[in-house]
Amino acid sequence: EAGVAQSPRYKIIEKRQSVAFWCNPISGHATLYWYQQILGQGPKLLIQFQNNGVVDDSQLPKDRFSAERLKGVDSTLKIQPAKLEDSAVYLCASSGTSGSRTGELFFGEGSRLTVL
Amino acid sequence: AQSVAQPEDQVNVAEGNPLTVKCTYSVSGNPYLFWYVQYPNRGLQFLLKYITGDNLVKGSYGFEAEFNKSQTSFHLKKPSALVSDSALYFCAVREAAGNKLTFGGGTRVLVKP
Repeated sequence: EAGVAQSPRYKIIEKRQSVAFWCNPISGHATLYWYQQILGQGPKLLIQFQNNGVVDDSQLPKDRFSAERLKGVDSTLKIQPAKLEDSAVYLCASSGTSGSRTGELFFGEGSRLTVL
Repeated sequence: AQSVAQPEDQVNVAEGNPLTVKCTYSVSGNPYLFWYVQYPNRGLQFLLKYITGDNLVKGSYGFEAEFNKSQTSFHLKKPSALVSDSALYFCAVREAAGNKLTFGGGTRVLVKP
């Protein structure tokens, strides 16, 4: 079974530029999550989708971050314009029906963003 | 609001010795508790969970964790650590009736030969 796929793995941009990250969850997983992991900290939930609907985006900085999951499968997370403090690893995770109920998530390897 | 505390930034242990990584939590209702492990340049991997039932839960790679409701703790343990256990460990909590999984700040484990 293929895992959660993310791209790009690494991205370096200047502040005020834009960037987009892509995630393909495990086939059949209805729930998709984007987490931000700043160096030395635990992952922080940015947004959670159930199919193509948003379940929780309370910690998403909506003035600069956006995310979509139009067909209920792949998802894109965009940052525009980027700030220095956005430097982090962006983790995508997915879960099936039981996982979304009990919390067992499957994570991708992450996309490391450096903002200069 | 729910939260997780991992009081130790790093735990050092000799190979073959027992390993303990501490975690305490705060939720308003019944907790679902989890441990995840992160190896360098890799995503998080699920280790084990407590949902209900026996307070001692067993997981992958010989790890186990004990749920203590009175102390609101969920410490991760391994009787005999391996060098390959060196990694970053995250405790996480979710309220049983909620959707959101909250992670602690992580504890780096270094197992020395």
